[in-house]
Parts: sequence; C-alpha cells; structure tokens
Amino acid sequence: AQSVSQHNHHVILSEAASLELGCNYSYGGTVNLFWYVQYPGQHLQLLLKYFSGDPLVKGIKGFEAEFIKSKFSFNLRKPSVQWSDTAEYFCAVNPPLRDYKLSFGAGTTVTVRA
Amino acid sequence: SQTIHQWPATLVQPVGSPLSLECTVEGTSNPNLYWYRQAAGRGLQLLFYSVGIGQISSEVPQNLSASRPQDRQFILSSKKLLLSDSGFYLCAWSEDSLGNGYTFGSGTRLTVV
Repeated sequence: AQSVSQHNHHVILSEAASLELGCNYSYGGTVNLFWYVQYPGQHLQLLLKYFSGDPLVKGIKGFEAEFIKSKFSFNLRKPSVQWSDTAEYFCAVNPPLRDYKLSFGAGTTVTVRA
Repeated sequence: SQTIHQWPATLVQPVGSPLSLECTVEGTSNPNLYWYRQAAGRGLQLLFYSVGIGQISSEVPQNLSASRPQDRQFILSSKKLLLSDSGFYLCAWSEDSLGNGYTFGSGTRLTVV
C-alpha cells in the first residue's frame, strides 16, 4: 500500500545536538510535502511545506527540510536543538489525485535533554 | 484571522451510546473540512472530508458518520459507540490550494467504557 514512513519512533538528544528526522513516501508523481509539529499539550502546527522550486525549504523555529525526488524523501533537520524542541513531529504528503487529502506518517517523538 | 473550534475536549461514553463531536471554523468561507483520528504510534488516519455543505467523503469504513449542515460546521457522529472507537479525534480545515496546509483543532479525547 502507498504510504508515508517515518523511520524513527523516538529520538533522544542533548541540547545543541543536530537533529535529522527521516521521511519517505511511496507515491509516484508530483506530491506536496509537509512537516507538522505537536508540542506537549498543544495543537498540531505547520513547520514547513514543499510544493515546488528549491528543494531545500526553511520553516519556522530554525527547521529546514530537503526534498530528494529520486529518494522519495523529505527529511527534516535542525542544526542545534533546544529543550523547547521536545515534541512529536509528523511528516505528511498530499499525493497526486488525492485532492486536498494528506497522508501522515506515524510520527517521531523527539526528547531534548537539557 | 481564521480560527477553528472543536468540542468537547474530553468525553467518556459507555459502549452503545451515541456520539456527536462538533467542529466550527471562523474567518473563512467554503473551507475544506476533515476529521482525523490520531492513535499513538500510528499517526493520523483520515476518517472523513468535505468540500462543501452536504458533501461528505468517507475514507475508512467505520462505526462513524459525518455531516456538514452549514458551511463552517462539521460534525462527527455515531449511533452506537464501540470500545474500538476510543481515540483522539482531530478536526482540520484547509483552503483549496493547500497553500497553508491544514489548520487543526485542539482535538477531542474520546474514551468508550
């Protein structure tokens, strides 16, 4: 079945460490890509999105993601994490012919230790 | 600015009882509306979506149904809840272009006992 895969279920880091979360999808054709974040007790929020153009996109709070079409990947990165980045992160894909519907990955819980 | 309201925040219901969760959007017109269920370790599963009043598409056969009686109102219902209906339900809206992705509500934690 076509899907969105996030490879890490739980990542534990120390402050100032670099973060990279993997996201792969199995849909062919043109896709729109998103990363969402859910801080403890808060709503899901949009971190960044990719529709077209420069495959390296920058989002809020110092996050960036790189779209690599040949690898069907959209990995999220942050060079130096802070304790406040502790959250759950979701990759989402709007596949072709799926109108406005998003398919989400299972999520990655990131815990940043002070 | 646009806002989305979802209630109640938590709900405990007995098996076999009915369900009605409500979601309303303010500050926009003709939004696309969505109901998702979030399960730990399994991400978000799309249950229903709607592109207009009375237009409902079901993604997964469920013991649930959805209705859109007004442009900015989306209701998730069940006639008889099952234990397996327990979960965290999220409402979301988007524009047609998806330019801003989805905006999510605060969610309803449903426990069926």
